[in-house]
Amino acid sequence: DSGVTQTPKHLITATGQRVTLRCSPRSGDLSVYWYQQSLDQGLQFLIQYYNGEERAKGNILERFSAQQFPDLHSELNLSSLELGDSALYFCASSPTGLRSGEQFFGPGTRLTVL
Amino acid sequence: EDQVTQSPEALRLQEGESSSLNCSYTVSGLRGLFWYRQDPGKGPEFLFTLYSAGEEKEKERLKATLTKKESFLHITAPKPEDSATYLCAVQAVDQFYFGTGTSLTVIP
Repeated sequence: DSGVTQTPKHLITATGQRVTLRCSPRSGDLSVYWYQQSLDQGLQFLIQYYNGEERAKGNILERFSAQQFPDLHSELNLSSLELGDSALYFCASSPTGLRSGEQFFGPGTRLTVL
Repeated sequence: EDQVTQSPEALRLQEGESSSLNCSYTVSGLRGLFWYRQDPGKGPEFLFTLYSAGEEKEKERLKATLTKKESFLHITAPKPEDSATYLCAVQAVDQFYFGTGTSLTVIP
């Protein structure tokens, strides 16, 4: 158990809908990262937050947005969902925002868009 | 273009048969190279961080090495419980790039 929690574990929804994925980092970790993992593309970095501020942005679509709250938990919002958004979404956390390759991953949220 | 390539895609070893996994990268401004292990249906588990060419890290039967263009994960005398997908990732400035992994199966 990494100490990172993600909810829900599974999510099934329809195209065009909007969903929110939630992540609670390990106690004391200030950075939160979001990743998308699909069978054909592997693990794709989406976005990083550090102590409430956006720190780095990867290949995150404009339909997706994220935020980190004062209690350090984070939410990833996915809107206007498409079939291709079906994937595993992982959240990870680390103590700092620099040289933070040692990330602790949560169990993931499996999103299925029908 | 920044990218990370892992080879082979899949590897089957007999228990005790040592081998190496490769991670080659082309990244501007490498900040670090990382190895993770991922079991089916679970999140990746951190193994090692390497920052500079020539650096080596060891953990049990695993040893990671880094050159200017690639990294190797050496597995010595593997056991069935080492079966997993091994992911390589690089940090370039503020971006993280993961390879697609090597799926390792160790047969008893």
